[in-house]
Amino acid sequence: EDQVTQSPEALRLQEGESSSLNCSYTVSGLRGLFWYRQDPGKGPEFLFTLYSAGEEKEKERLKATLTKKESFLHITAPKPEDSATYLCAVQAGGANSKLTFGKGITLSVRP
Amino acid sequence: GAVVSQHPSRVICKSGTSVKIECRSLDFQATTMFWYRQFPKQSLMLMATSNEGSKATYEQGVEKDKFLINHASLTLSTLTVTSAHPEDSSFYICSARDWSGGAGKETQYFGPGTRLLVL
Repeated sequence: EDQVTQSPEALRLQEGESSSLNCSYTVSGLRGLFWYRQDPGKGPEFLFTLYSAGEEKEKERLKATLTKKESFLHITAPKPEDSATYLCAVQAGGANSKLTFGKGITLSVRP
Repeated sequence: GAVVSQHPSRVICKSGTSVKIECRSLDFQATTMFWYRQFPKQSLMLMATSNEGSKATYEQGVEKDKFLINHASLTLSTLTVTSAHPEDSSFYICSARDWSGGAGKETQYFGPGTRLLVL
């Protein structure tokens, strides 16, 4: 059974204090690993998809990396508007296989 | 990125009535859409996978006669909560799979969600 574990459960940062969010996964045949951002009362917003170990993607203050066992979402010099819940999900198997989500990491950035 | 819309964003209904929620992919065609339910401070729970032109596949424990799903076109899927009861109150989110990136590069985009309150 596919499993996704995110840590820490919650993270509080000072504005400008860089950090990383971890997503550990166990799947048979990774098809893709997804990062989403979710604000309260809204649907998840797509951030990145990573397909193979060693791949990295960046967007503004965010950088996602992938190994065979885990993915990191690095946040550089965060701002209060980066406060949200960050969800990691994996897709394994065939093209129409479902996503398996972690429980999410709630990030709070204080001004 | 691709856009997925949901309508309505919020609905209040009386117990025993049915409610329909629409999910549309606005700038891409989606042969596969998904319906999720999310409880406060919890992650997304997949309810069913909706495939255009065929019957939906429901997750274990989800009543297919209560949560009717129709995916009649490549841009529209609907979820109907039949005979709604207070315990059906929740945040319902749809998503659509975009294949425009090529084989093996599909991405799943989410709608903004629908808040259902059953009185």
